[in-house]
Amino acid sequence: DTGVSQDPRHKITKRGQNVTFRCDPISEHNRLYWYRQTLGQGPEFLTYFQNEAQLEKSRLLSDRFSAERPKGSFSTLEIQRTEQGDSAMYLCASSGPGTGNNDSPLHFGNGTRLTVT
Amino acid sequence: DQQVKQNSPSLSVQEGRISILNCDYTNSMFDYFLWYKKYPAEGPTFLISISSIKDKNEDGRFTVFLNKSAKHLSLHIVPSQPGDSAVYFCAAGAGNTGKLIFGQGTTLQVKP
Repeated sequence: DTGVSQDPRHKITKRGQNVTFRCDPISEHNRLYWYRQTLGQGPEFLTYFQNEAQLEKSRLLSDRFSAERPKGSFSTLEIQRTEQGDSAMYLCASSGPGTGNNDSPLHFGNGTRLTVT
Repeated sequence: DQQVKQNSPSLSVQEGRISILNCDYTNSMFDYFLWYKKYPAEGPTFLISISSIKDKNEDGRFTVFLNKSAKHLSLHIVPSQPGDSAVYFCAAGAGNTGKLIFGQGTTLQVKP
């Protein structure tokens, strides 16, 4: 169990540029989640996948955001035409097929910190 | 609409004493609750959870209490250790999606 891996750890970009983040979940986990965390707040749900199917998207996920999990393994989160308000920590998590409770809690990666200048 | 609230941004306790972190929620559909701990520059780490059918769950030094009528849960850490110093997040979920709603976090400082 190597844990959830996210790449890059940090990304600085200029407003209007596109960025893409990658997440590699724990290998046996079929569920993958993206969250966003801003300073002084808890993580906010963005979207989640069960295998390769994207099952839910938050209203926070504007049409500039797109997430994929093409083979049900790693996932990418792309932000197009970045804005300064997109600056945040983007967290990926994975879990087994349970409900996310004690039997199958979400395991988080260390996040990608995005700064839009 | 903050469905999960942690009203204390910070808490400071002496090593060896009890730390009590509180969390309130508004959505009666939540059927499980979790606590996560977060160190700087790391992702949140799962600590302990509780189902809505229980009122207490214990794991070593960590105990979570749930009061459904008050829509309130708390995390007790006893005895507190300096290594427990971190940000603690309360989270709640409903159904089987695994999607969690997090509180704003409470920063715990345990002084030696």
